[in-house]
Amino acid sequence: DGGITQSPKYLFRKEGQNVTLSCEQNLNHDAMYWYRQDPGQGLRLIYYSQIVNDFQKGDIAEGYSVSREKKESFPLTVTSAQKNPTAFYLCASSPRDREGYGYTFGSGTRLTVV
Amino acid sequence: DQQVKQNSPSLSVQEGRISILNCDYTNSMFDYFLWYKKYPAEGPTFLISISSIKDKNEDGRFTVFLNKSAKHLSLHIVPSQPGDSAVYFCAASARGTSGSRLTFGEGTQLTVNP
Repeated sequence: DGGITQSPKYLFRKEGQNVTLSCEQNLNHDAMYWYRQDPGQGLRLIYYSQIVNDFQKGDIAEGYSVSREKKESFPLTVTSAQKNPTAFYLCASSPRDREGYGYTFGSGTRLTVV
Repeated sequence: DQQVKQNSPSLSVQEGRISILNCDYTNSMFDYFLWYKKYPAEGPTFLISISSIKDKNEDGRFTVFLNKSAKHLSLHIVPSQPGDSAVYFCAASARGTSGSRLTFGEGTQLTVNP
């Protein structure tokens, strides 16, 4: 059963701590994406990767880092430099060679800073 | 610079009536448009899409209309059902840009009242 798995579903972080959100897909998709959802602001792109060992900054990359060591995995680290990390984080994937193809999304991770 | 805008944060309709969700875009390079549906604490799911070479695409109760000259698209749901209550995101992509990167609007919360 192919899909995208994000874990954990809920995550709490103390101020000043780094935290890593997991995203795994078994759809054999080349491209993977991280979005952040805040009320009234829609989905904003943090980072994306079109191929293993390569990734690009999105619109709001400051305070975040990613890696793409395997095709199936695209973890996102929220660093202490991110000033307002409390949000709902969504990971997505798509086939790279199909322009305009829609994304498949994971079920999201709710991050709360305490 | 918000390239995809959904100006109505919310919409309420009666069951059985038509729901019309609107989306405007500013980037004339966009040539593929999609609508996603999102329930709380879940990832968005693909609903329907349209290429810029068409002005209408229909799938069951869902129809998307594209007016390229006005840079406007709309999603019609007929008849509306209580299960349609969700946040609807409009998204767009441009051929030739990196991968199939999507730009999302802010979302519209649709409530269908029984």
